[in-house]
Amino acid sequence: QKEVEQNSGPLSVPEGAIASLNCTYSDRGSQSFFWYRQYSGKSPELIMFIYSNGDKEDGRFTAQLNKASQYVSLLIRDSQPSDSATYLCAVRNTGRRALTFGSGTRLQVQP
Amino acid sequence: DAGVIQSPRHEVTEMGQEVTLRCKPISGHNSLFWYRQTMMRGLELLIYFNNNVPIDDSGMPEDRFSAKMPNASFSTLKIQPSEPRDSAVYFCASSFQGLPGLAGGIYTGELFFGEGSRLTVL
Repeated sequence: QKEVEQNSGPLSVPEGAIASLNCTYSDRGSQSFFWYRQYSGKSPELIMFIYSNGDKEDGRFTAQLNKASQYVSLLIRDSQPSDSATYLCAVRNTGRRALTFGSGTRLQVQP
Repeated sequence: DAGVIQSPRHEVTEMGQEVTLRCKPISGHNSLFWYRQTMMRGLELLIYFNNNVPIDDSGMPEDRFSAKMPNASFSTLKIQPSEPRDSAVYFCASSFQGLPGLAGGIYTGELFFGEGSRLTVL
């Protein structure tokens, strides 16, 4: 079992719709969770991080964390073609400084 | 403020040659990470340093790979000899790992990535 699992996609949504990206992790002691966006040929850039159970909103983005279910998600409201990218879920495991990344979900927003 | 700087951006070499990738972390950051990204395996941690000391090198594939951090502003990842299966994008990332200061604020420990070094071994 991979430590961080994501559906590879592609996830295709129409412009203006809500895109929902999901991630599960195996280490129950994981403490912090990150969503990175990576455009083709570019480096990952941080969108959001979340530590506590529940929702965290930042503009059009909402991160949701459920530690009991070991599940973290990212919602993108009013999706734009410029949101088309690969979204990487990353987890900081207990006692580690490094992040473990999922394989990413490719999002396509259709104009 | 300059971000993480990596060089070279692209490297094409022949099997058996030595490859050296370089990284300058963000000033003030005390942790540095080397990741490798391929289509098949995604983004994998190779090694990370904290305060210039290697902490976890369990991701280094084999003895052909070595990494050094002689000071807080410079790190290298060396592959000798290189093989075609080493072809990938190698990312360096840095972060500040520590406790929030007296003024408060949020310690995120987020990683800031360089633009990557795309390595092709023929």
